[in-house]
Amino acid sequence: ETGVTQSPTHLIKTRGQQVTLRCSSQSGHNTVSWYQQALGQGPQFIFQYYREEENGRGNFPPRFSGLQFPNYSSELNVNALELDDSALYLCASSMGGFQETQYFGPGTRLLVL
Amino acid sequence: AQSVTQLGSHVSVSEGALVLLRCNYSSSVPPYLFWYVQYPNQGLQLLLKYTSAATLVKGINGFEAEFKKSETSFHLTKPSAHMSDAAEYFCAVTAGYQKVTFGTGTKLQVIP
Repeated sequence: ETGVTQSPTHLIKTRGQQVTLRCSSQSGHNTVSWYQQALGQGPQFIFQYYREEENGRGNFPPRFSGLQFPNYSSELNVNALELDDSALYLCASSMGGFQETQYFGPGTRLLVL
Repeated sequence: AQSVTQLGSHVSVSEGALVLLRCNYSSSVPPYLFWYVQYPNQGLQLLLKYTSAATLVKGINGFEAEFKKSETSFHLTKPSAHMSDAAEYFCAVTAGYQKVTFGTGTKLQVIP
């Protein structure tokens, strides 16, 4: 059984650029959630996708957008990067909604200069 | 609205001593509660999960947590700390099919 994978592992961008982060869900999982974890903080919920539809969104601006594909992998896109977007971005997959156990990937560390 | 509060951003224990990490939650409906562990430069790993089936929940690596509704608490314990337990621990809550809310984390240091 393959776990949750994320790519890339590290990324450096400059302010104003755009970035796409990718996540492959665990086999058999149909739900993907994305979190932002700033240094020294707990993960903050960005949004969740269930069977290719957005199923909830946290307090993040519209420049944070996402996609889920038919194979349940997912992308997180961030436009017009700001310095405060520097963080670890975590993807988690599960078999349904928020009450199901989420399995986390190793994360993508984004640095915005 | 739901929230969790983790008391103590840093906890130090001696190897072999009791580990106690505190978590208090707030929820207007019955919650699901989680404890996750995060090792440096890694993602989160589930230690245990409370789903109302039993108030004492046993998890991996010898950890357990007890749900106390009267105290709105879900503290994490381990009888004997091991060096490999040094990590950051997060308590999280979801209730009423709301998004999962994480606490700010507690860094556990184990002193040899």
